[in-house]
Amino acid sequence: DAGVTQSPTHLIKTRGQQVTLRCSPKSGHDTVSWYQQALGQGPQFIFQYYEEEERQRGNFPDRFSGHQFPNYSSELNVNALLLGDSALYLCASSPAEGKDTQYFGPGTRLTVL
Amino acid sequence: GDSVTQMEGPVTLSEEAFLTINCTYTATGYPSLFWYVQYPGEGLQLLLKATKADDKGSNKGFEATYRKETTSFHLEKGSVQVSDSAVYFCAHGGRNTGFQKLVFGTGTRLLVSP
Repeated sequence: DAGVTQSPTHLIKTRGQQVTLRCSPKSGHDTVSWYQQALGQGPQFIFQYYEEEERQRGNFPDRFSGHQFPNYSSELNVNALLLGDSALYLCASSPAEGKDTQYFGPGTRLTVL
Repeated sequence: GDSVTQMEGPVTLSEEAFLTINCTYTATGYPSLFWYVQYPGEGLQLLLKATKADDKGSNKGFEATYRKETTSFHLEKGSVQVSDSAVYFCAHGGRNTGFQKLVFGTGTRLLVSP
């Protein structure tokens, strides 16, 4: 049984560009959450998707957007990249409308130059 | 607002020493509490959890007890191994709103030497 998978593993972009990160949840999970982890910090909640809708959002600007597909996979899009967007982006999935434990993927390391 | 406070690291121990990593939280209602571990270059792995007051979560020799009166969830292990070297994150997740947005502490790095 595959766990949470994310792609790509690493990504290098320049300021002003746009990026799309992808996540496939653990089998049987219907809720996907995204987190940003800056170097040396704990993960910060970006948003959560359930039934293809954004259910809750953290304190991130509108440059951060997402999508969930009918198969429960999800994308995180970041527009107009800033140097400060450099971080590890973690996807987590959970079952039962997100009412249970979240399981994390390995993350995508984004570097903005 | 909701927050988690962890002791600053790094925590440096010799193999077989006793480990305590302190964690306190502020939250609305009675959240579930978690410890996650992150090995170098990897994502977060769930280590243990507790969902209500006085519950004890345990896994791989680690344990933590949900203390509502002190809003704490300290992580302990009786005898650490070199392979336990990692960063440990305490987190809470809201339960009353029907879903869990995790709030994390800043992490505590543990270094275990042979």
